[in-house]
Amino acid sequence: DAKTTQPNSMESNEEEPVHLPCNHSTISGTDYIHWYRQLPSQGPEYVIHGLTSNVNNRMASLAIAEDRKSSTLILHRATLRDAAVYYCILRDYLYGGSQGNLIFGKGTKLSVKP
Amino acid sequence: GAVVSQHPSWVICKSGTSVKIECRSLDFQATTMFWYRQFPKQSLMLMATSNEGSKATYEQGVEKDKFLINHASLTLSTLTVTSAHPEDSSFYICSARLVDTQYFGPGTRLTVL
Repeated sequence: DAKTTQPNSMESNEEEPVHLPCNHSTISGTDYIHWYRQLPSQGPEYVIHGLTSNVNNRMASLAIAEDRKSSTLILHRATLRDAAVYYCILRDYLYGGSQGNLIFGKGTKLSVKP
Repeated sequence: GAVVSQHPSWVICKSGTSVKIECRSLDFQATTMFWYRQFPKQSLMLMATSNEGSKATYEQGVEKDKFLINHASLTLSTLTVTSAHPEDSSFYICSARLVDTQYFGPGTRLTVL
């Protein structure tokens, strides 16, 4: 599986934008970039995913570098409820079944200060 | 988004007993479901992948006879921890795939005394 690299932790102030980086220099042409977040004692929550173009949804935006070797998850206005561990994961869309599943790294722990 | 539920949300059992955890996709059918385990302050580790109507595929190092997985329908997968021991105490999380996205359940906290 292609690996991702994320900072261990980041801090943000409430109501300010947050840019969470992810490096994936060995990404293949068929890998989707997925972002999930996990609040304490809860299962991961889907945030966003993309392949080549930037993506926006009600939760966040995903900016993907032109060479696809890095991406950035953007939270436009951080709230206290956004404090979580954010995982950047690559998944190959060619595979179903036991392949192409999500393999979690250590993620980035985001702290939000009031 | 799609909803995945788990039951129970927490369970405490005695060493040597078996525990069954249910995972349901509430508003969609999932041919593929996944089981993860998470120890404190660690990331999720994939245990196995279950496909409806067939045997589960276990990750290396996961004992298939200890962690029994049944995916009997398109909306239900069960994980049974047999003869549980204190080292099996963990947070168990299931996931179901819908198209190209996985949705996760809220997790089950298992404590083995």
